[in-house]
Amino acid sequence: DTGVSQDPRHKITKRGQNVTFRCDPISEHNRLYWYRQTLGQGPEFLTYFQNEAQLEKSRLLSDRFSAERPKGSFSTLEIQRTEQGDSAMYLCASSTTGRAIMNTEAFFGQGTRLTVV
Amino acid sequence: QKEVEQNSGPLSVPEGAIASLNCTYSDRGSQSFFWYRQYSGKSPELIMFIYSNGDKEDGRFTAQLNKASQYVSLLIRDSQPSDSATYLCAVSSEAGTALIFGKGTTLSVSS
Repeated sequence: DTGVSQDPRHKITKRGQNVTFRCDPISEHNRLYWYRQTLGQGPEFLTYFQNEAQLEKSRLLSDRFSAERPKGSFSTLEIQRTEQGDSAMYLCASSTTGRAIMNTEAFFGQGTRLTVV
Repeated sequence: QKEVEQNSGPLSVPEGAIASLNCTYSDRGSQSFFWYRQYSGKSPELIMFIYSNGDKEDGRFTAQLNKASQYVSLLIRDSQPSDSATYLCAVSSEAGTALIFGKGTTLSVSS
């Protein structure tokens, strides 16, 4: 399977625990995005990498969230001291560098569904 | 604050009809426009993208872009029950910036 891969698919955790999610993008894609989606809403942007550089981070992202892409390949998203409000689907997407002013298409992984109890 | 607005629906059409989905965006600098389909419990799936004013056709799907009106639409011809899903409009400005999504429009196609 050469698509975007996310692991785990589901995670149930107790409030206050830390969780880490992994995303493996499509191999030739240099851009990687993390989004969060709750029921009835569109995906909400969290952060974005070009290669290993984290170029953009949502103002909505609290200090409890951190993301890395150490070698410009896979990425991890960590949530510390989880809260019930963190329960959501966490989506990863990847894309390539397009023409000068255009973004190329982003393809999503299957997501990690987090439930905080 | 960059915003993308969609009518949440549900939009109900009979099988074989044309479904018309609309989206407006606030950032005049937006350059790239995408339509994603999302089935319940699944991740978004890219179905169309458009960069230039006018129409772009791909099979039963036509995307329409009017930058002056800051308006994007998706037409689905010969709608099928399998088209029943939430359709998400996404917009980005300069290359390398994040896609901003609308909340999506739920489409229901009845047989």
